[in-house]
Amino acid sequence: DAKTTQPNSMESNEEEPVHLPCNHSTISGTDYIHWYRQLPSQGPEYVIHGLTSNVNNRMASLAIAEDRKSSTLILHRATLRDAAVYYCILRDQGGKLIFGQGTELSVKP
Amino acid sequence: GAGVSQSPRYKVAKRGQDVALRCDPISGHVSLFWYQQALGQGPEFLTYFQNEAQLDKSGLPSDRFFAERPEGSVSTLKIQRTQQEDSAVYLCASSLTAFDTGELFFGEGSRLTVL
Repeated sequence: DAKTTQPNSMESNEEEPVHLPCNHSTISGTDYIHWYRQLPSQGPEYVIHGLTSNVNNRMASLAIAEDRKSSTLILHRATLRDAAVYYCILRDQGGKLIFGQGTELSVKP
Repeated sequence: GAGVSQSPRYKVAKRGQDVALRCDPISGHVSLFWYQQALGQGPEFLTYFQNEAQLDKSGLPSDRFFAERPEGSVSTLKIQRTQQEDSAVYLCASSLTAFDTGELFFGEGSRLTVL
């Protein structure tokens, strides 16, 4: 299974944008890039996913590098409720998610 | 219900006891996954079902762990002769089809503590 590399932790100020990076240099052509987040004492929650093109939804934006070897999750205006562990995961069609350690995001008021 | 439901939410077992953890996926979802999450770690894959067929059990840590989904809906994860290292949160997730590339829906997990 292809692996991802993320910083262990990041800090942000409330109401500022946050850019969470992820490297996936061994990504294959059929791997989708998924992002999940996990709040304390809850199960992981889907954030966004994409294949090649940048993606936007109500929660976040996903910017994918042209060579697909890296991606960035963008939270446009961080709130205190966005404090969580964010996981960048590669998923093949129908395949399981393989979680890494993720990035623990803290948001300061 | 609307989401993935797991029960019990909390379970305390004495070492050596057998436990059973239940997962009710979203109605109609074909794929079902079980994960184990130790404190401070990311979830680790245990096993995967497509309907009633267990297609991947490569993550089950020992033969004390057994999962089933006999009618292709509700699934049970059974742990026999529990050990302290089995203490973790057990997460269940489901997705709509066998070949989709989108979202997995997770339950809130069952927290197992083995004394």
